[in-house]
Amino acid sequence: EAGVTQSPTHLIKTRGQQATLRCSPISGHTSVYWYQQALGLGLQFLLWYDEGEERNRGNFPPRFSGRQFPNYSSELNVNALELEDSALYLCASSLAGLGSTDTQYFGPGTRLTVL
Amino acid sequence: GDSVTQMEGPVTLSEEAFLTINCTYTATGYPSLFWYVQYPGEGLQLLLKATKADDKGSNKGFEATYRKETTSFHLEKGSVQVSDSAVYFCALNTNTNAGKSTFGDGTTLTVKP
Repeated sequence: EAGVTQSPTHLIKTRGQQATLRCSPISGHTSVYWYQQALGLGLQFLLWYDEGEERNRGNFPPRFSGRQFPNYSSELNVNALELEDSALYLCASSLAGLGSTDTQYFGPGTRLTVL
Repeated sequence: GDSVTQMEGPVTLSEEAFLTINCTYTATGYPSLFWYVQYPGEGLQLLLKATKADDKGSNKGFEATYRKETTSFHLEKGSVQVSDSAVYFCALNTNTNAGKSTFGDGTTLTVKP
């Protein structure tokens, strides 16, 4: 069974540009989560999508946004990139979200570098 | 809110030494507990989990027991190998936290031959 996949592996942008990161969940999983892992800051929760709807977001500005498609894959968009957005962005998926303690399975991440 | 506290690292051990990484938590709901491992340049891999009190999760020689009375989920391994060198994260999620898993800061383990 294929795990969570993310693309691209690496992404290099300059300040002010937009970045788009993609995630495909494990087959059968309907919930997708995004986390940011910046150097020295640990894992910070960004967004949670379930059944195509944004269910929760972390303490990030509105220029971090995303969506979930009918096939449950997801896209994270970061607008007006800033240097401090440089980080590893991790996507995770689980069988169910709301009211669940289901295990979250992580992808390999996208390394975003903002110059 | 929910929180996870891990022992500070880094931890350096010799091969075949005994490993303990402490993890304690606070949670408003009734959490499931997890240990994830991150090898250099990679994402997080689920190492083991426990979903209720006194459950023991185990995988690849690693073990952790869900202790509700001490709100702890310490990770142990009897004999570490060089290949165990990685960053280890303790995490929890509850059915009241709207999808968000809460992670500890991670503990870097280096095993020397």
